[in-house]
Amino acid sequence: QLQLQESGPGLVKPSETLSLTCTVSGGSISSSSYYWGWIRQPPGKGLEWIGSIFYGGSTYYNPTLKSRVTISVDTSQNQISVRLNSVTAADTAMYYCARIDTVVPRWGIFDIWGQGTLVTVSS
Amino acid sequence: QPVLTQPPSASASLGASVTLTCTLSSGYSNYKVDWYQQRPGTGPRFVMRVGTGGIVGSKGDGIPDRFSVLGSGLNRYLTIKNIQEEDESDYHCGADHGSGGNFVWVFGGGTKLTVL
Repeated sequence: QLQLQESGPGLVKPSETLSLTCTVSGGSISSSSYYWGWIRQPPGKGLEWIGSIFYGGSTYYNPTLKSRVTISVDTSQNQISVRLNSVTAADTAMYYCARIDTVVPRWGIFDIWGQGTLVTVSS
Repeated sequence: QPVLTQPPSASASLGASVTLTCTLSSGYSNYKVDWYQQRPGTGPRFVMRVGTGGIVGSKGDGIPDRFSVLGSGLNRYLTIKNIQEEDESDYHCGADHGSGGNFVWVFGGGTKLTVL
C-alpha cells in the first residue's frame, strides 16, 4: 500500500528557508498516472495548495507563493521536496504531501495523503 | 479561478443526517468539486468527487454508503446519513482549474462537523 511520509525541521527562523521532503513507499513516483503535490494548513485554518510536480519535472505553483517556492523530485530516492524561502510567521502550518490522480475522470484528485509535518516559524 | 465557500461549522445528532454545502463562485457552475474528510490529528482523505450530475467516478477507499453527493447550480452537497461518532471531522471541498496550460488547485475554508 502506497504511503507518504513528510520530514524536515519543525522550527525555522524568520527570513530563512523552509525545506521539507516527502518519501514515498510502496510504489514509484515515476508513474505517468500521477502528479505529486504539497498542501499546507495553518493552525485552525483551511487547506492551501502550494504546488504540484510531475516526475518528469513539470510544475504548477500557487500564484501567491510562486516567487518563494520550489518543488523538486528525486526519482532515485523516491522523494518529492519543497523549499519555501524568506519565511515569516504566516508560513507556520502543517505541511502535507499528497498524490494526485491524472486518470480521467479522477484527474486532479488528491487521492493519498501523508500524515503531515508541523513547521513553526519563530526566532 | 473559482472561489469555494463553506460554512465554518455544522452539527447533527448521532443517527441523524446532515448536508454540508460547498458553493462555487459565479461563473463556475460546470465545475466539479472534491470532498475530503479530515479527522482530528490526521491528514485529509478523499471522499468523492461531485458535479452537477452527482458523483463523478468512485468513492474514496473505505468511504461508507452513508455518504452521498449532489450538485445543483453553484452548490455541491455532501450528505451523511445515520451519523456516527467517527464522522466528526473537518470536511474540505477542493477543485482544480486549468487555464492556458497552467493549473491551480483551490480549497474552501472547511466545515467542522460536530456530532452531538
